[in-house]
Amino acid sequence: EPEVTQTPSHQVTQMGQEVILRCVPISNHLYFYWYRQILGQKVEFLVSFYNNEISEKSEIFDDQFSVERPDGSNFTLKIRSTKLEDSAMYFCASSEALGSGGWGYNEQFFGPGTRLTVL
Amino acid sequence: KQEVTQIPAALSVPEGENLVLNCSFTDSAIYNLQWFRQDPGKGLTSLLLIQSSQREQTSGRLNASLDKSSGRSTLYIAASQPGDSATYLCAVRAYSGAGSYQLTFGKGTKLSVIP
Repeated sequence: EPEVTQTPSHQVTQMGQEVILRCVPISNHLYFYWYRQILGQKVEFLVSFYNNEISEKSEIFDDQFSVERPDGSNFTLKIRSTKLEDSAMYFCASSEALGSGGWGYNEQFFGPGTRLTVL
Repeated sequence: KQEVTQIPAALSVPEGENLVLNCSFTDSAIYNLQWFRQDPGKGLTSLLLIQSSQREQTSGRLNASLDKSSGRSTLYIAASQPGDSATYLCAVRAYSGAGSYQLTFGKGTKLSVIP
């Protein structure tokens, strides 16, 4: 069964360093998302991406964050200068485009996550 | 702003029992509602997706209902098994302005099924 994959599973970095989290969405999906979950907190939406541009972003997704689809399979989240409070589990998700109603109707499939620890 | 609440926060039941998990949301203008399962330190596994026009969805021992007007959804698990132990998350997809259709999550219900 197709699945979303993410690498690395765990990333440790020093405060102020740049990190890139990688995701490979399900191959026929067209909509991609990043979420984060701080330990013990709710899963929070960060950004969605379609047709090589950001569709929507939350207030969390500030100028320190960026996303990119560098090729036909990868989807990346970059944090330019990490802060302690960026420590969290980061989940990538994807959904396919289906018929009428648009992508708001589509089931999202999540990857296993990358645990980011900022020291 | 959409808020999603899940009650109870934790639940412990003996194996074989039927159980109900509750989810409520503040803004009934949703597009869909999705139930997920999260195992410790792992990703989210989609269990059921209910479109706003639907009343319920079933998958195996799981049945999810949606009452959009009252802002409620329930996840019914029949004949619970120890392997069902996990955190169950409810998430709603709703319009949040400026072409935005964010998925908003509840904090989850942590289920423990005792053998």
